[in-house]
Amino acid sequence: GNSVTQMEGPVTLSEEAFLTINCTYTATGYPSLFWYVQYPGEGLQLLLKATKADDKGSNKGFEATYRKETTSFHLEKGSVQVSDSAVYFCALSGGGGSYIPTFGRGTSLIVHP
Amino acid sequence: EAGVAQSPRYKIIEKRQSVAFWCNPISGHATLYWYQQILGQGPKLLIQFQNNGVVDDSQLPKDRFSAERLKGVDSTLKIQPAKLEDSAVYLCASSLDGQAWSNEQFFGPGTRLTVL
Repeated sequence: GNSVTQMEGPVTLSEEAFLTINCTYTATGYPSLFWYVQYPGEGLQLLLKATKADDKGSNKGFEATYRKETTSFHLEKGSVQVSDSAVYFCALSGGGGSYIPTFGRGTSLIVHP
Repeated sequence: EAGVAQSPRYKIIEKRQSVAFWCNPISGHATLYWYQQILGQGPKLLIQFQNNGVVDDSQLPKDRFSAERLKGVDSTLKIQPAKLEDSAVYLCASSLDGQAWSNEQFFGPGTRLTVL
């Protein structure tokens, strides 16, 4: 079945540092790929998505590129802020005829001033 | 636009008791999802509805969990009887059409269940 693997956290950075959160997936076909974010005390919300190979999703300074050859969808941001502190979930949907959405276990990001 | 509503927000019960959760999706969203999120893990899909039909319930422990979506709008998830390992956050989400893989899901705040 489909699966998503994320780097373990917490990831602790200073403000303005560069962020990478790794995500790799296993799926047949061409699933859609997502990053969801959960800020403290809030529900999950979509951060960005990509629906086909080589697509780049971007939002709020975050980017991720759909790499079919390496089955990856790594999240990056050039300069993090304290307000980016949250838990980030990589997810996929579709591929191989399966509609079941599959989530990674989440990566906690802590940004210090 | 109102978001996904869930109730209750918190529930504490003893093992072997029953519990029910309610979800009201965003108006017009055809697809409704129930997830279980155990502490430190990502959400795991329990059941997915398309309107009032079940698309997938392969990960729903059917001996104790049940769910329904009346008239293709609101939904309830029930656990009977509860076990200690059911302690988790139960998330409801909706999307315009889950058959379109690229559709964004909108999540409710979740119900935190503690089974003692």
